Amino acid sequence: GQNIDQPTEMTATEGAIVQINCTYQTSGFNGLFWYQQHAGEAPTFLSYNVLDGLEEKGRFSSFLSRSKGYSYLLLKELQMKDSASYLCAVRDPNGGYNKLIFGAGTRLAVHP
Amino acid sequence: SAVISQKPSRDICQRGTSLTIQCQVDSQVTMMFWYRQQPGQSLTLIATANQGSEATYESGFVIDKFPISRPNLTFSTLTVSNMSPEDSSIYLCSFDRAGETQYFGPGTRLLVL
Repeated sequence: GQNIDQPTEMTATEGAIVQINCTYQTSGFNGLFWYQQHAGEAPTFLSYNVLDGLEEKGRFSSFLSRSKGYSYLLLKELQMKDSASYLCAVRDPNGGYNKLIFGAGTRLAVHP
Repeated sequence: SAVISQKPSRDICQRGTSLTIQCQVDSQVTMMFWYRQQPGQSLTLIATANQGSEATYESGFVIDKFPISRPNLTFSTLTVSNMSPEDSSIYLCSFDRAGETQYFGPGTRLLVL
C-alpha cells in the first residue's frame, strides 16, 4: 500500500535549525517533493529530490535516501514566517501517469 | 513561472445542489489534477484529467459525484454534485510541468450547509 509518514507537529525557536523527517512506502517512485502551506493558502513548492543526496536552496535543504525510503527537510535560520505546514509528497508513476501522494503534513510553529 | 487560477475562490452552498469549479492555466499542459483538502488534513488526489480522454479517478472517488471536464490544454472543471456537509473542503487543481514541479492553484473553499 501507499504510506507516507511525517511528524504531526513540531516547534522551534526563531534563528534555530529544524529538521522535518518523512518516510515513505509507495508502489512506485519518481521523485519526492516538499511543499510549504500557510493556513488558508495553497501549497507552494519548496524542493524536489529524485536522486540520493542533499539539495540546498538558500535556507532550505532537502535530503533523500531511496534505499531507506527516507527524506528530510532542513530549515535554517528560522523566521517567524516559516510557521506553516510542511507537506512531503511522493510522485508515483504507476498507472501510466505521474501522481503525487501526500503525507499528512507537519505543522511547524516558530516562536521567538 | 506558470499562472494557474481557480473560480470561484470560495462558495457557500445548500445541500443537494452542485457546484462547478473552474481551473485555468496560462499555458498548455498535458496533465491536470484535482485534489481535496478537508479541514486540518493533507491533500487527497481526486482524479487526473488528460485532455481528450476521460478522467482517471482515485479509489473512493467516482465520476457521478465528481464529474470532470478537460476541453482543452489550458482548462478543466470539477463539479461537486449533490453536495452534503461532508463535501465542505478546499478543492485544488494543479498541473505537472516538465516532469518536475507540480504547481497548485489558489484553491476553492467550499462550505456546504
